[in-house]
Amino acid sequence: KAGVTQTPRYLIKTRGQQVTLSCSPISGHRSVSWYQQTPGQGLQFLFEYFSETQRNKGNFPGRFSGRQFSNSRSEMNVSTLELGDSALYLCASSPGRGSEQYFGPGTRLTVT
Amino acid sequence: GESVGLHLPTLSVQEGDNSIINCAYSNSASDYFIWYKQESGKGPQFIIDIRSNMDKRQGQRVTVLLNKTVKHLSLQIAATQPGDSAVYFCAENPYNYGQNFVFGPGTRLSVLP
Repeated sequence: KAGVTQTPRYLIKTRGQQVTLSCSPISGHRSVSWYQQTPGQGLQFLFEYFSETQRNKGNFPGRFSGRQFSNSRSEMNVSTLELGDSALYLCASSPGRGSEQYFGPGTRLTVT
Repeated sequence: GESVGLHLPTLSVQEGDNSIINCAYSNSASDYFIWYKQESGKGPQFIIDIRSNMDKRQGQRVTVLLNKTVKHLSLQIAATQPGDSAVYFCAENPYNYGQNFVFGPGTRLSVLP
């Protein structure tokens, strides 16, 4: 099976702009989780989608949002970008709760 | 708040030796744990998992031990190779609904020739 894919791999945006990142999970996986990775905070959970519904949400401001489509592909959106949003954004997919979770290569977002 | 911590931020081992990476978790309700390996410029790679009803699980050259009494996990890598050099994370799932894992800060493993 193909692994988790994320597009784009790299992005450079300016403060105040918005950005949309895309994730395609492993075929058959219905759960997609998003994480932010920074040197200072490590890996932090953003939110999880399962069957097009947000099932869990981490402690991030409302500028971070996401959605999942009927084919399980997911997007996350960050509005009004801040310098502190510069990070590696990782998507992970799994069949469901309590099962193996696999990560994509990430999208490196740089906000200038 | 909840956190998963690692005792050692860096670990250097000789090629061929065994490595042991430790992790302390804080939530006694956690029932599922995963170890990940992350190489530079890549996403975390699944290594091995263990559920709370087990004490030990073995994979190819790796063994995970779980001690629920003291809330401690360890990852043992046998015959460590240069390709094992990476950052290793433990992750716990303390929630009974969903796949939102809490990650530790990571341990950097350096394999010396």
